[in-house]
Amino acid sequence: KQEVTQIPAALSVPEGENLVLNCSFTDSAIYNLQWFRQDPGKGLTSLLLIQSSQREQTSGRLNASLDKSSGRSTLYIAASQPGDSATYLCAVEGSARQLTFGSGTQLTVLP
Amino acid sequence: DAGVIQSPRHEVTEMGQEVTLRCKPISGHDYLFWYRQTMMRGLELLIYFNNNVPIDDSGMPEDRFSAKMPNASFSTLKIQPSEPRDSAVYFCASSFGTGTYEQYFGPGTRLTVT
Repeated sequence: KQEVTQIPAALSVPEGENLVLNCSFTDSAIYNLQWFRQDPGKGLTSLLLIQSSQREQTSGRLNASLDKSSGRSTLYIAASQPGDSATYLCAVEGSARQLTFGSGTQLTVLP
Repeated sequence: DAGVIQSPRHEVTEMGQEVTLRCKPISGHDYLFWYRQTMMRGLELLIYFNNNVPIDDSGMPEDRFSAKMPNASFSTLKIQPSEPRDSAVYFCASSFGTGTYEQYFGPGTRLTVT
């Protein structure tokens, strides 16, 4: 059974810092990995999707990497802003077309 | 497109009552997913459909839960009878195809069973 772990569970940084969120998964047989953002009381917003054949994806200040063989992904956020404060969730899609989610990293960017 | 639409946004009901949650996926998407989010268990997949057909319902917790997709633009998740432990946020998501495409989530329905 796929298990997804996210470290750290919570992170607080001053505005302007670059930061890295980590995600690990136990079964490397995945189709893709997605990073989501969830604001309090809201739904999930997809940030980046990395297909299993890719190594990284970039969108604006966000860069996500994938090392499938080692079961790891990182989300890099450059020049963090208070508006980046949210919970970031990592999810992997397996052969059964199911997303298995990590428990998330709660990010607070202090002005 | 308006995105995935869910209703109601909030539902408060008493134990034993029937609850029906509704979802309208993004037009053209052929996969629809129902998830549940709780503090204790995080986000869990309950069931998903492909072309209106249920493919995997192994995440449905009990027979009290049922889901239908009568057409490509509408799905329901029903709980009968409801229990306090069913209190959670229920999300619907939809996507194209397999593997390559993102899942798009609705805003969720916050269910409270007293």
